[in-house]
Amino acid sequence: DSGVTQTPKHLITATGQRVTLRCSPRSGDLSVYWYQQSLDQGLQFLIQYYNGEERAKGNILERFSAQQFPDLHSELNLSSLELGDSALYFCASKGQGSEKLFFGSGTQLSVL
Amino acid sequence: AQTVTQSQPEMSVQEAETVTLSCTYDTSESNYYLFWYKQPPSRQMILVIRQEAYKQQNATENRFSVNFQKAAKSFSLKISDSQLGDTAMYFCAFIGGSNYKLTFGKGTLLTVNP
Repeated sequence: DSGVTQTPKHLITATGQRVTLRCSPRSGDLSVYWYQQSLDQGLQFLIQYYNGEERAKGNILERFSAQQFPDLHSELNLSSLELGDSALYFCASKGQGSEKLFFGSGTQLSVL
Repeated sequence: AQTVTQSQPEMSVQEAETVTLSCTYDTSESNYYLFWYKQPPSRQMILVIRQEAYKQQNATENRFSVNFQKAAKSFSLKISDSQLGDTAMYFCAFIGGSNYKLTFGKGTLLTVNP
């Protein structure tokens, strides 16, 4: 158990819909990362937050947004969903002064 | 921009044998970290081993060791005494400098055969 909690584990929805993925980092970790894993693109970095503020942005679509709340949990919002958004979405957290990322078990999103 | 390349999409090894997975990277940073992550069929991402660029000594974790060649920008993973539970996708990853994101290679699918 990495200590990073992601909910839900599985999500099935239809095209055009909006979903929210939730992540609770390890206790004390201020940094939260979001990654998308698909068969054709591999593991793609989406966005990083540090103590509530956006720190880095990757290949995140405009239809996607994220935030980190004062209690340090993070949410990834995906809207106007398309078939191609079907993927495994990982959240990871990192402690201050450490370079190790600890990953949650992921949310498998299926867009039908 | 940093890039990580894993040139072996798939590999197989017999149980109890040794296997080496290759990884090369490209960066202009002088201070960085390299990782190998394992993703078994459960799809959990598990950190296997970590190497700091400023350390010349190769990292070792039980049956897992790396061959870090900084000048060649090479970072290979050696698995000794392979076990069936080592069957997984292995990802090489890089983080460094002012770039806070962890960049992954495409992965190598390792199958350990009985």
